[in-house]
Amino acid sequence: GAVVSQHPSWVICKSGTSVKIECRSLDFQATTMFWYRQFPKQSLMLMATSNEGSKATYEQGVEKDKFLINHASLTLSTLTVTSAHPEDSSFYICSASTAERGTTEQFFGPGTRLTVL
Amino acid sequence: DAKTTQPPSMDCAEGRAANLPCNHSTISGNEYVYWYRQIHSQGPQYIIHGLKNNETNEMASLIITEDRKSSTLILPHATLRDTAVYYCINSGTYKYIFGTGTRLKVLA
Repeated sequence: GAVVSQHPSWVICKSGTSVKIECRSLDFQATTMFWYRQFPKQSLMLMATSNEGSKATYEQGVEKDKFLINHASLTLSTLTVTSAHPEDSSFYICSASTAERGTTEQFFGPGTRLTVL
Repeated sequence: DAKTTQPPSMDCAEGRAANLPCNHSTISGNEYVYWYRQIHSQGPQYIIHGLKNNETNEMASLIITEDRKSSTLILPHATLRDTAVYYCINSGTYKYIFGTGTRLKVLA
């Protein structure tokens, strides 16, 4: 149990276009979802936290208007990278947690590799 | 900033126990210690977590010191597939701050 999927697993886009990444909890209701970014040979950096039906809370230095997060249901969150540029190329990972388990454990998706040309 | 510190890298012979230390000297009373690992180009995989007591599951054992300022993850019989970056996180809320982790290399 506690499986999180992401789609697509990889995407290549042209500079200036927007890209949407989906994150789904497949067998549980995700009270909270998180989005991370990971550059090569670096650790995961938290970008934002979102609760279903609420606006996302962004970490310092993360542009809200560039990285649009929607958490419309208890099983789906989306991250849209708007007007993508080559410096946005990275590995984007989502995770989800649920109040059902009574702990703060996060379940991670497999990640989405974004390459902006 | 991350609240945990770990050695950047370790090697372990295949079949031997891998002991990965983590320092979390500023941990507060309601914070759990979580361990995850990340194999190249994949999302982190949950290993184990604990609050005060030592824990064991099918993957690993977690030893937490009595003062809770440090912990050790033990992989009892490391295999080549255990080669990964291991992250120790302490969190009392839903927010995780990842440190740099330990890159474990299991040698044949």
